[in-house]
Amino acid sequence: GAVVSQHPSRVICKSGTSVKIECRSLDFQATTMFWYRQFPKKSLMLMATSNEGSKATYEQGVEKDKFLINHASLTLSTLTVTSAHPEDSSFYICSARDPGGGTTEQYFGPGTRLTVT
Amino acid sequence: GNSVTQMEGPVTLSEEAFLTINCTYTATGYPSLFWYVQYPGEGLQLLLKATKADDKGSNKGFEATYRKETTSFHLEKGSVQVSDSAVYFCALSGGSGGYQKVTFGIGTKLQVIP
Repeated sequence: GAVVSQHPSRVICKSGTSVKIECRSLDFQATTMFWYRQFPKKSLMLMATSNEGSKATYEQGVEKDKFLINHASLTLSTLTVTSAHPEDSSFYICSARDPGGGTTEQYFGPGTRLTVT
Repeated sequence: GNSVTQMEGPVTLSEEAFLTINCTYTATGYPSLFWYVQYPGEGLQLLLKATKADDKGSNKGFEATYRKETTSFHLEKGSVQVSDSAVYFCALSGGSGGYQKVTFGIGTKLQVIP
């Protein structure tokens, strides 16, 4: 099946710094990728839809200047958490659908655990 | 819009017990339905899926049947193992939300004790 990877798997940063998380589709091209955030003991919350070659679409309540998304190629989307604060600590997961796969299935990355100290 | 409601956990069972995790959904049209599993410290893995009414998805002993009349997709397993301990998410895509967007339930934590 299709594989989505994320890097890094874990990152610890100091308050006020920025952190970049990468999401890659390894064996398919994804014109659209999705970024989710998972709070402890909660479900996944869709943050934004990343579109290759155009601006990301953010869900209501998500600060686009805080969470910068760049989808520079058909296999790579990046999420940059700018001026991170402890409340940004969370588990971030990306996903992508393989448009050539013939299914509606989304493939999820393994997630990135961000801790802001 | 689309929504998914699933039972809140945690659910604690003894090994070899029967498992049911309830899931109901709201969507227009004909969404695809999924169960995802998240093991501790890991991302989501697709467990099973069903794309049309009366389809039964199955994998690793887990089953779920797409019931359009009751808008349900309950997850069942006849005999759970300790290794099944994880969080299970019911989800859907399609319908009014389009196939690009996945709507998740809150997740149900399952703990299986020896």
